[in-house]
Amino acid sequence: GNSVTQMEGPVTLSEEAFLTINCTYTATGYPSLFWYVQYPGEGLQLLLKATKADDKGSNKGFEATYRKETTSFHLEKGSVQVSDSAVYFCALKGNEKLTFGTGTRLTIIP
Amino acid sequence: EAGVAQSPRYKIIEKRQSVAFWCNPISGHATLYWYQQILGQGPKLLIQFQNNGVVDDSQLPKDRFSAERLKGVDSTLKIQPAKLEDSAVYLCASSLDVGPSFFGPGTRLTVL
Repeated sequence: GNSVTQMEGPVTLSEEAFLTINCTYTATGYPSLFWYVQYPGEGLQLLLKATKADDKGSNKGFEATYRKETTSFHLEKGSVQVSDSAVYFCALKGNEKLTFGTGTRLTIIP
Repeated sequence: EAGVAQSPRYKIIEKRQSVAFWCNPISGHATLYWYQQILGQGPKLLIQFQNNGVVDDSQLPKDRFSAERLKGVDSTLKIQPAKLEDSAVYLCASSLDVGPSFFGPGTRLTVL
């Protein structure tokens, strides 16, 4: 079946550092890929998405590129802020079923 | 556009009691999902509806959990009787046939 493997956390970075959170997947067919974010005390929010190979999703300075050859969808941001502290979930959607990774807790210190 | 609504936001019960959660999806979204998110883990799909029909309930513990989506809009998820290990956040999400899922704020259940 489909599965998502996500970089284990927690990850702690200083403000303005470069961020990468790794995500790889296993799926049949051509799934869509997503990053969701969960801020403290809040629900899951869609951060960005990509629906086909080589697509780049971007939002709020975050980017991720759908790499079919490496089955990856790594999340990156060039300069993180304290307000980016949250839990980040990589997910894929195949046959209308959304499968999540285990989440990566990110803490940004000033 | 209104988002996915859920109630209650918090619920505390004792083991062996019953509890029900309610979800109102985004208007026009045919697909509705219930997820269980245990602390420190990613959400796990419990059940998926397409309109008022069940598409996937393979991970729903059917001896104690039930869900319905009458009229293809609102949905309720019930646990009877609850166990300690059911303590989690229960998330409802909805989507169009294709595209991302949008999540409600969740119901945090504590079973004592």
